[in-house]
Amino acid sequence: DTGVSQDPRHKITKRGQNVTFRCDPISEHNRLYWYRQTLGQGPEFLTYFQNEAQLEKSRLLSDRFSAERPKGSFSTLEIQRTEQGDSAMYLCASSSGLAGGQYFGPGTRLTVT
Amino acid sequence: GENVEQHPSTLSVQEGDSAVIKCTYSDSASNYFPWYKQELGKRPQLIIDIRSNVGEKKDQRIAVTLNKTAKHFSLHITETQPEDSAVYFCAASAFTGGGNKLTFGTGTQLKVEL
Repeated sequence: DTGVSQDPRHKITKRGQNVTFRCDPISEHNRLYWYRQTLGQGPEFLTYFQNEAQLEKSRLLSDRFSAERPKGSFSTLEIQRTEQGDSAMYLCASSSGLAGGQYFGPGTRLTVT
Repeated sequence: GENVEQHPSTLSVQEGDSAVIKCTYSDSASNYFPWYKQELGKRPQLIIDIRSNVGEKKDQRIAVTLNKTAKHFSLHITETQPEDSAVYFCAASAFTGGGNKLTFGTGTQLKVEL
């Protein structure tokens, strides 16, 4: 499968714990995006990278969230001190070039208990 | 920032009929408008997109139209089939130096009935 992959697919954690998600984009794509989707809503933009540079962060992204793309390939999204409001589907997408369409991974469903 | 409104929230059609979903956007700088189909429990799937230099684009049974003056764009599905049943999201973005973050609409649940 040469599409976007994400790991894990599901994560259940207790409030206050830290979690980390991984995204592997389509290999030739230099842009990588993170979105969050809650039930019945469209995805909401969180942050994006061009190669290893993080170019923009949404105001939705509190200080507890951090994302990296150290070698311009895979990316990680970490949430520290999780809260119940963090429960959502975290989606990763990648694109090629400025005009390329964004292709989504299967997402990581986070449940904070 | 950009705001995208989408209507209707639910749409039920008979198999073989056409379906139309409409979106409006607020940021006149937006120049890229993709449509995604999301089946239950699956990832959003890019089905068609249009850029601001064209007014219409067609791909088999799917077409998208764009009216930049009125800031609205629409998805048209002809000869609907049961497998078209899904949630459809429109989105808008403005190309920047590094990428094109998408602002999504709230989705339309399309049900194609036999």
